[in-house]
Amino acid sequence: AQSVTQLDSHVSVSEGTPVLLRCNYSSSYSPSLFWYVQHPNKGLQLLLKYTSAATLVKGINGFEAEFKKSETSFHLTKPSAHMSDAAEYFCVVSDFADKLIFGTGTRLQVFP
Amino acid sequence: EAGVTQFPSHSVIEKGQTVTLRCDPISGHDNLYWYRRVMGKEIKFLLHFVKESKQDESGMPNNRFLAERTGGTYSTLKVQPAELEDSGVYFCASSSGLPAFSEQYFGPGTRLTVT
Repeated sequence: AQSVTQLDSHVSVSEGTPVLLRCNYSSSYSPSLFWYVQHPNKGLQLLLKYTSAATLVKGINGFEAEFKKSETSFHLTKPSAHMSDAAEYFCVVSDFADKLIFGTGTRLQVFP
Repeated sequence: EAGVTQFPSHSVIEKGQTVTLRCDPISGHDNLYWYRRVMGKEIKFLLHFVKESKQDESGMPNNRFLAERTGGTYSTLKVQPAELEDSGVYFCASSSGLPAFSEQYFGPGTRLTVT
């Protein structure tokens, strides 16, 4: 069965510093992995997705994630945080039937 | 293009009452999904429609939950009778389904509070 583990429930960074949100996955086959973001009072928005093409995936708003099979990781990074990045981020794996399996979420705080 | 919409945005009901949540997917999207986030827990899959047919309802918690998608357009999720543990945020998502693993577009959610 597929699952994802988000290693941090909260991450705090200063504006302009790098962001790292960690995610490990478990899958019995080559997974499809996603990062979604939810801003307050908004729906979930897809940041990026990995579907067995390039292992370094670029997403919207300067975010990217690297699929590392040997480490079963799919960490989300951004070189320089912006105040508008403050939100909750979800690492997600999809099973073969398109059902999304979510991690518990990481709340990102950005301080000025 | 309008996104996925959900109604109501917030509902407060008493234990034992009935509540119906509605989801309008993006026009033309055959796939419609319901998910739920209970307080402090992860977002969990409830069920998946392809047009008007239930493709997968393995996540439905019990028979107090009834989902319908008449005509393959909007969907409703009825909880009858509601229990305290049903409180949470109910999300709806839709996708075109082509290609496989196409993006699921989410609505803002309905926050259900059962008192």
